[in-house]
Amino acid sequence: DAKTTQPTSMDCAEGRAANLPCNHSTISGNEYVYWYRQIHSQGPQYIIHGLKNNETNEMASLIITEDRKSSTLILPHATLRDTAVYYCIVRFLLIQGAQKLVFGQGTRLTINP
Amino acid sequence: DTEVTQTPKHLVMGMTNKKSLKCEQHMGHRAMYWYKQKAKKPPELMFVYSYEKLSINESVPSRFSPECPNSSLLNLHLHALQPEDSALYLCASSQDRARTDTQYFGPGTRLTVL
Repeated sequence: DAKTTQPTSMDCAEGRAANLPCNHSTISGNEYVYWYRQIHSQGPQYIIHGLKNNETNEMASLIITEDRKSSTLILPHATLRDTAVYYCIVRFLLIQGAQKLVFGQGTRLTINP
Repeated sequence: DTEVTQTPKHLVMGMTNKKSLKCEQHMGHRAMYWYKQKAKKPPELMFVYSYEKLSINESVPSRFSPECPNSSLLNLHLHALQPEDSALYLCASSQDRARTDTQYFGPGTRLTVL
């Protein structure tokens, strides 16, 4: 299973863009990169996912390098409510029709006022 | 509705007790999952059910017994647990389509084994 590597913690000022890096150098061609976040022992919340193109939704942007060995999650205007643990995940599909998420260790992002 | 519900929220049990965790979703998803999360660690996959059949068991001890009675419901039966089994147990579900699939998580059950 492909593994991901993330910084343990990061700080960001409120209102600024938060850029969270992730390395996934062993990712295979059909494996997606997913990002989830978890706020204080709640269930993980889906943020965004991508395969090889950059993606944007109402929560964030995902930039994937051309060789797919790393990616960056961007929260464009961080708020205090964005303080959470952010997980970079490689997802692959199972033959049986389900999927397997392989979580990284996560980055604890703290947004400071 | 993208909600996965889990009951109970908290559970305290002794090592000789038998208890069950329950997970429910009404999104028409055909895959359901159990994860275990220890403090300050990422979630770890335990079981995967696809179309109500067990498709993955990540070498979980037999004191954890999953059950999928129908496509909306997933149970985790607990028996003779150890204190080190204390953790947050998360349930998730997903569709079976490939590209746009997303796994949705419930809020979890906080289990304490005395």
